[in-house]
Amino acid sequence: GENVEQHPSTLSVQEGDSAVIKCTYSDSASNYFPWYKQELGKGPQLIIDIRSNVGEKKDQRIAVTLNKTAKHFSLHITETQPEDSAVYFCAASRSSYKLIFGSGTRLLVRP
Amino acid sequence: SAVISQKPSRDICQRGTSLTIQCQVDSQVTMMFWYRQQPGQSLTLIATANQGSEATYESGFVIDKFPISRPNLTFSTLTVSNMSPEDSSIYLCSVGGLTGGREDTEAFFGQGTRLTVV
Repeated sequence: GENVEQHPSTLSVQEGDSAVIKCTYSDSASNYFPWYKQELGKGPQLIIDIRSNVGEKKDQRIAVTLNKTAKHFSLHITETQPEDSAVYFCAASRSSYKLIFGSGTRLLVRP
Repeated sequence: SAVISQKPSRDICQRGTSLTIQCQVDSQVTMMFWYRQQPGQSLTLIATANQGSEATYESGFVIDKFPISRPNLTFSTLTVSNMSPEDSSIYLCSVGGLTGGREDTEAFFGQGTRLTVV
């Protein structure tokens, strides 16, 4: 079955700097790659996603890139703010709903 | 998007007892799932809740331990049976496929139920 690896497990950046989180997946049939942000005591919230027919997608300060050949995708957050501090999960799926999650990255943005 | 309500939001239960968690969605959805998130860990899919038929369980999860119901397109329950401290986790309901919408819509999550077994 699908296996998703996520790095780093923790990431600390200065406010205003960029943060990059990377994931690799094993199932070449996966075609949907969402990123979720989970704040303490809350459920995961979708922040951006990408499908296999696209190499890059951007939404304001957040961007995701996908390399299908290498089977890896990355989340890029620019101009980080303290409210970006949370746990971020990548996921991979053959459909939009049944998700296999990475292990999570705890992002800390220092003011 | 969909608004998902989970009840209870948290509970402390005695070992050996069972707890039923409810998931209510404000619109009809094709797919409903249940995930478990152990303390400090990632999310693991327990099962797909199928309307009108038995749920489809992932490896490592069985119906006797986690019975699931889905009587209609907006509601599902997950029961954690004969609980032990190892069942202490956050249990999350997820939905996808809002009926009448695109087939490839994203998955939404409820706020989760934080379960502590003592």
